[in-house]
Amino acid sequence: GAVVSQHPSRVICKSGTSVKIECRSLDFQATTMFWYRQFPKKSLMLMATSNEGSKATYEQGVEKDKFLINHASLTLSTLTVTSAHPEDSSFYICSAGDRVGYGYTFGSGTRLTVV
Amino acid sequence: DAKTTQPPSMDCAEGRAANLPCNHSTISGNEYVYWYRQIHSQGPQYIIHGLKNNETNEMASLIITEDRKSSTLILPHATLRDTAVYYCIVRLNTGNQFYFGTGTSLTVIP
Repeated sequence: GAVVSQHPSRVICKSGTSVKIECRSLDFQATTMFWYRQFPKKSLMLMATSNEGSKATYEQGVEKDKFLINHASLTLSTLTVTSAHPEDSSFYICSAGDRVGYGYTFGSGTRLTVV
Repeated sequence: DAKTTQPPSMDCAEGRAANLPCNHSTISGNEYVYWYRQIHSQGPQYIIHGLKNNETNEMASLIITEDRKSSTLILPHATLRDTAVYYCIVRLNTGNQFYFGTGTSLTVIP
């Protein structure tokens, strides 16, 4: 149980365009999901908490207008990187499904490359 | 904010036990210690967690000191597939975010 699916696994986009990343809970409902980004050889950095039916909560220093989060249903949260630039190239990971005793399940991640 | 300290890297011979230490000297009484690992270019994977008592599951053992200021993750018989970055995280139980520290990069050597 508690399977989290991310799509796409890899995406290459041109500078200035927007990219949407999906995070789905496949076998459970998730009122809360989390989005992380990870640069090469670095740790995961929490970007924001996605709350179903309400606004996301962003960590300090994360631009909410740059990284738009929508959590319109109990099984889907989306992260849109708007007007992407090469410095936004990173590995984006979501998590959900806080099971008692197991913590959150993480998606397999999305590798974003902005050219 | 991450509240744990781990060595940046460790090596372990295949078949031997891998002992990964973690310091969490500011842990509060109701915070749990979680261990996750991340194999290259994948999402983190849950390993084990504990509060006070030592814990064991099919993947690993977790030894928590009596004062709870440090812990050790033990992989009893390391294999090449255990090569990964291992993260020790402290947090209140369900409902709170995970904040990752820098982790330990474990390399299992043939």
